[in-house]
Amino acid sequence: KAGVTQTPRYLIKTRGQQVTLSCSPISGHRSVSWYQQTPGQGLQFLFEYFSETQRNKGNFPGRFSGRQFSNSRSEMNVSTLELGDSALYLCASSSWTGSYEQYFGPGTRLTVT
Amino acid sequence: DQQVKQNSPSLSVQEGRISILNCDYTNSMFDYFLWYKKYPAEGPTFLISISSIKDKNEDGRFTVFLNKSAKHLSLHIVPSQPGDSAVYFCAASANTPLVFGKGTRLSVIA
Repeated sequence: KAGVTQTPRYLIKTRGQQVTLSCSPISGHRSVSWYQQTPGQGLQFLFEYFSETQRNKGNFPGRFSGRQFSNSRSEMNVSTLELGDSALYLCASSSWTGSYEQYFGPGTRLTVT
Repeated sequence: DQQVKQNSPSLSVQEGRISILNCDYTNSMFDYFLWYKKYPAEGPTFLISISSIKDKNEDGRFTVFLNKSAKHLSLHIVPSQPGDSAVYFCAASANTPLVFGKGTRLSVIA
């Protein structure tokens, strides 16, 4: 079974721009969660989607948004990028919402200059 | 306020010896705990978990201990191998999205 894939793997953007990151979950998995990892911080939960509906949301500003498509693929968008948004963005998939067993992708490294 | 704390940013252990990684939590509602391992340029991979109804769970070289009264859990790796060198994250849940610690970088020296 193919693992979780994330595209692009690396991205450089300028402050004020917006960015869209993509995540394809493991086949058959319907839940996708997004996390932000910054230097010195753990993984911070952004949001979770299940069956195209946002089920949970972390404590991030409204500039961070996401969606999920009918094939369970998910995208997250960050608008009006700030320098502090530079991070590794990780996507994780699981069979159902609330499952503890999450399978992570390799992440997208976003650098904001 | 950090609900899951890994107070040791790094740990070095000799190959063959025991590695002990520690994690403290503040939320008494947490009822499920997990450890993830992360290599550079890869996403975290699930290692081992424990429910709050247990105080120990073993899987091969990996054992997780849970002390609910102290709100403390630890991951023991015996014997440690160079391939265990990675960042280890502790995570907890109260039937909520996982809350992660900041991680501990383990270096196993041959």
